[in-house]
Amino acid sequence: DSGVTQTPKHLITATGQRVTLRCSPRSGDLSVYWYQQSLDQGLQFLIQYYNGEERAKGNILERFSAQQFPDLHSELNLSSLELGDSALYFCASSVEAGGPPSSGELFFGEGSRLTVL
Amino acid sequence: LAKTTQPISMDSYEGQEVNITCSHNNIATNDYITWYQQFPSQGPRFIIQGYKTKVTNEVASLFIPADRKSSTLSLPRVSLSDTAVYYCLVAPTEVTGGGNKLTFGTGTQLKVEL
Repeated sequence: DSGVTQTPKHLITATGQRVTLRCSPRSGDLSVYWYQQSLDQGLQFLIQYYNGEERAKGNILERFSAQQFPDLHSELNLSSLELGDSALYFCASSVEAGGPPSSGELFFGEGSRLTVL
Repeated sequence: LAKTTQPISMDSYEGQEVNITCSHNNIATNDYITWYQQFPSQGPRFIIQGYKTKVTNEVASLFIPADRKSSTLSLPRVSLSDTAVYYCLVAPTEVTGGGNKLTFGTGTQLKVEL
């Protein structure tokens, strides 16, 4: 158990819909990262938050948005969903904005599997 | 951010030592090298991390040459349960205003057979 909690574990929805994925980081971790992993693909970095502020953006679509709340949990909002958005969405946390190495590692949740029909 | 290159796949047999090499030619002075393991439908899990020379823990060793342009993850005496994707990640140590796009490469699919 990494200590990072993601909900829901599975989600099935239709094209055009909107969903929200939730992540609770490990206790004490200030930084949250979101990744997308499509079938047989690598991990695509989406966005990073540190202590409530956006710090880095990767290949995140304009239809996607995220935020980190004062209690440090984070949400990833996916709207106008398309078939190609079907993927595993992972959240990871670390102590510091810089990630490794002083904190030692990124801790990943078990992911939220999104299926768009 | 340093780009990494790894072999797409490797095959091995139980009991053998497996070495997976990652190239990171434009690694920066303050970058560390971290390896992760991922099983299907699970989040990646930290294996080992290093800066230079050799690091060893209870599950693996990490060899980093003096020029740091590559690194090799060594898994001693693999078993079937080591079948997974292994990712090399090169990450800066400094906290910057721009944050850190901790981008993973394509990873190496290791298949261990009897």
